Amino acid sequence: QVQLVQSGAEVRKPGASVKVSCKTSGYTFSDYYMHWVRQAPGQGLEWMGWINPHSGDTNYAQKFQGRVTLTRDKSIDTAYMELSRLGSDDTAVYYCAKEAGYSNSYNHWGQGTLVTVSS
Amino acid sequence: EIVMTQSPATLSVSPGERAILSCRASQSISTNLAWYQQKPGQAPRLLIYAASTRATGIPARFSGSGSGTEFTLTISSLQSEDFAVYFCHQYSNWPPRNTFGQGTKLEIK
Repeated sequence: QVQLVQSGAEVRKPGASVKVSCKTSGYTFSDYYMHWVRQAPGQGLEWMGWINPHSGDTNYAQKFQGRVTLTRDKSIDTAYMELSRLGSDDTAVYYCAKEAGYSNSYNHWGQGTLVTVSS
Repeated sequence: EIVMTQSPATLSVSPGERAILSCRASQSISTNLAWYQQKPGQAPRLLIYAASTRATGIPARFSGSGSGTEFTLTISSLQSEDFAVYFCHQYSNWPPRNTFGQGTKLEIK
């Protein structure tokens, strides 16, 4: 079965960077775009960007341009999200989400990674 | 950026009754719309894609409709497990940037 397993919770100081991983299994990693979505405490969902695991092409939400970097390692079927210059408003749960293929909706999600930014 | 607006923010409905949730796009997105259910401490779960197609394993009491800018998620005969937060999500091809609605919390009346 398809699984997306994310790395554990992180605590960072303001101005630092964080890198979250999303280890996949149960499907062909290169065949489906991977998206990253975050959710601040008690808030809604916010799309951050996608990566094409096959080519490495990326597309980022304007809000995160210059601060987010999506990468992948095809040899271990893993996607990564790195966010730099963290501020307190970056405290959120970060999800990876796999496109469905039959549509650009997300039929599988990681369990989420809580990133806390605090001095 | 395409803005998605959900209404109402909170909906109180009794078990066994029908719930109707709305989502409006700031510009036409054809049927490039999905609905997700999210329970506390869990990742979202895909319910509906392409505006009206149920995802695998989703009960028939969930139905979606609409196209262009106006969309609806209907849950007929609410079950206890349906009380959650629901998000709409547009994934139009151009501009190639996804956005979500702010969510509707469906609570027990």
